[in-house]
Amino acid sequence: EPEVTQTPSHQVTQMGQEVILRCVPISNHLYFYWYRQILGQKVEFLVSFYNNEISEKSEIFDDQFSVERPDGSNFTLKIRSTKLEDSAMYFCASREAQGFSGYTFGSGTRLTVV
Amino acid sequence: QQQVKQSPQSLIVQKGGISIINCAYENTAFDYFPWYQQFPGKGPALLIAIRPDVSEKKEGRFTISFNKSAKQFSLHIMDSQPGDSATYFCAATQDTGRRALTFGSGTRLQVQP
Repeated sequence: EPEVTQTPSHQVTQMGQEVILRCVPISNHLYFYWYRQILGQKVEFLVSFYNNEISEKSEIFDDQFSVERPDGSNFTLKIRSTKLEDSAMYFCASREAQGFSGYTFGSGTRLTVV
Repeated sequence: QQQVKQSPQSLIVQKGGISIINCAYENTAFDYFPWYQQFPGKGPALLIAIRPDVSEKKEGRFTISFNKSAKQFSLHIMDSQPGDSATYFCAATQDTGRRALTFGSGTRLQVQP
């Protein structure tokens, strides 16, 4: 079964440093998403991406965040200057353009900001 | 209006019993209601989903009941097994345009042997 692949699985970074989280969506999917989950809390939407541009974003997705699809397969989330409160699991998801299939989530990247 | 309210927060069920998790939404534009199962350290995995043109959908031991007028939907897990112990999230979205999912707060289910 096709998978959404995320790397790294765990990243520890110093406060103020930049991090890039990587995702490889399912190959025929055209919609891409980033969500985050602070430990023990619900999954929160960050941003969606379609046709090489942001289609929707939440209030969490401020100027410190950016997304990119640099090479037609990877989908990245960059946090420019990490804060302690950015510590969370970050999930990438993708979905095909048509049909009733659901959103497929990756296994996540655990980001720890120290 | 974007919120999806989920209850209970946690649930303990005996093996073989029925687990019931409830969700309510406000946004009448929502037209796709999935349930996700999440094990510790893993991403949410789609369990079952429903559209508002049907009142019930069943897949194996999992059933979604949908009440459009009350803006509520629920997940029933029949013959609950210890392997079902996980966190369950309801979600909702406007499927047209593949809008983002709005998740409920999650229910931690523990099925005791």
